[in-house]
Amino acid sequence: GEDVEQSLFLSVREGDSSVINCTYTDSSSTYLYWYKQEPGAGLQLLTYIFSNMDMKQDQRLTVLLNKKDKHLSLRIADTQTGDSAIYFCAESTTGSGNTGKLIFGQGTTLQVKP
Amino acid sequence: ETGVTQSPTHLIKTRGQQVTLRCSSQSGHNTVSWYQQALGQGPQFIFQYYREEENGRGNFPPRFSGLQFPNYSSELNVNALELDDSALYLCASSLWVETYNEQFFGPGTRLTVL
Repeated sequence: GEDVEQSLFLSVREGDSSVINCTYTDSSSTYLYWYKQEPGAGLQLLTYIFSNMDMKQDQRLTVLLNKKDKHLSLRIADTQTGDSAIYFCAESTTGSGNTGKLIFGQGTTLQVKP
Repeated sequence: ETGVTQSPTHLIKTRGQQVTLRCSSQSGHNTVSWYQQALGQGPQFIFQYYREEENGRGNFPPRFSGLQFPNYSSELNVNALELDDSALYLCASSLWVETYNEQFFGPGTRLTVL
């Protein structure tokens, strides 16, 4: 089946690194994503990783993928108060017969203390 | 280039009523997906429209229906509203290709059912 799980809450101090973790069950997942949602807003795509990669870096963001354990993480370096938001992990399966629909986790609330 | 827009922003209905939510897709996109996000949860896939045809459906009853128009904008209709239909409804547009389907989200419509 398709399931994505995340821890619900993370609190860090400004300037520290944040690591948000996610596990998924669908071994046929093609892409894994991290979205950010600020209060009252829609979803903003932060980054994504193709399933045959194990790491992707994009400025302050580092995504690590352990396909064997079906574990995905998002590291935010030098976390700022503006990073306070809910972070969603999501997976999709593309290719023939698939819609590419996104399966989301419950979201991790990141609180950044000054 | 305009992004994904949704209307209305907020809506209050009573049980048993019907509602129509609208989504204008991003220029150049041919696919619209709809998601329901209940409070404190991750978004759940309702259905997807590709070139005016339904192209996949999540675990939602038939009283959730949709349309896509020739300009690729879309409507989500919900009949016989129930209290549990209260949620943020997100639409996402994309340019469908089999290998990748990056979805761009609108700000959402907040539906409250009393």
